Amino acid sequence: SQELEQSPQSLIVQEGKNLTINCTSSKTLYGLYWYKQKYGEGLIFLMMLQKGGEEKSHEKITAKLDEKKQQSSLHITASQPSHAGIYLCGADRDTPLVFGKGTRLSVIA
Amino acid sequence: KAGVTQTPRYLIKTRGQQVTLSCSPISGHRSVSWYQQTPGQGLQFLFEYFSETQRNKGNFPGRFSGRQFSNSRSEMNVSTLELGDSALYLCASSLGRRETQYFGPGTRLLVL
Repeated sequence: SQELEQSPQSLIVQEGKNLTINCTSSKTLYGLYWYKQKYGEGLIFLMMLQKGGEEKSHEKITAKLDEKKQQSSLHITASQPSHAGIYLCGADRDTPLVFGKGTRLSVIA
Repeated sequence: KAGVTQTPRYLIKTRGQQVTLSCSPISGHRSVSWYQQTPGQGLQFLFEYFSETQRNKGNFPGRFSGRQFSNSRSEMNVSTLELGDSALYLCASSLGRRETQYFGPGTRLLVL
């Protein structure tokens, strides 16, 4: 089974709506990274969470780390077409990073 | 600062051939990692190099190899290509080990 499970696998939202993507680990999380990938391109670093309860925001994207639940969530407020892409979470495993399979987000007008 | 660059961006090879992919890290970054991304398996780690030494290796056959030069640039080589090697190969660099990794645009390899 996958060490990092992301849900949902895909998501279609209307522009302006809020959404949440979850990343659940089967092992203790010591560091959790969020990246965004446009189809067929490289990964763009969004943010990194290290401590339980930590919350970080970048523009309209907020990520939280719940260490006890071994889970992180990524929340997008008032989605825009520019938010479309694949969101990947990666766990710090003393290099390399271990990644989830990603959540494909589509934003429709 | 320029980002991570990878060459070539696209490559078509036939089974049995070999291929070399190149990665230039962000200036000042000393750690380079390589990943393979396929629709079925997702992102899988290939190797990590730091200060010209391989520090970590993923679960890939010996046909996959790599190296890092004194200027931190890295290359990976795949010999005796198989159809299943078709994938997006991503390189990531970081200042040091266990630092945030920044990814290049990838090299898309198609094996026919």
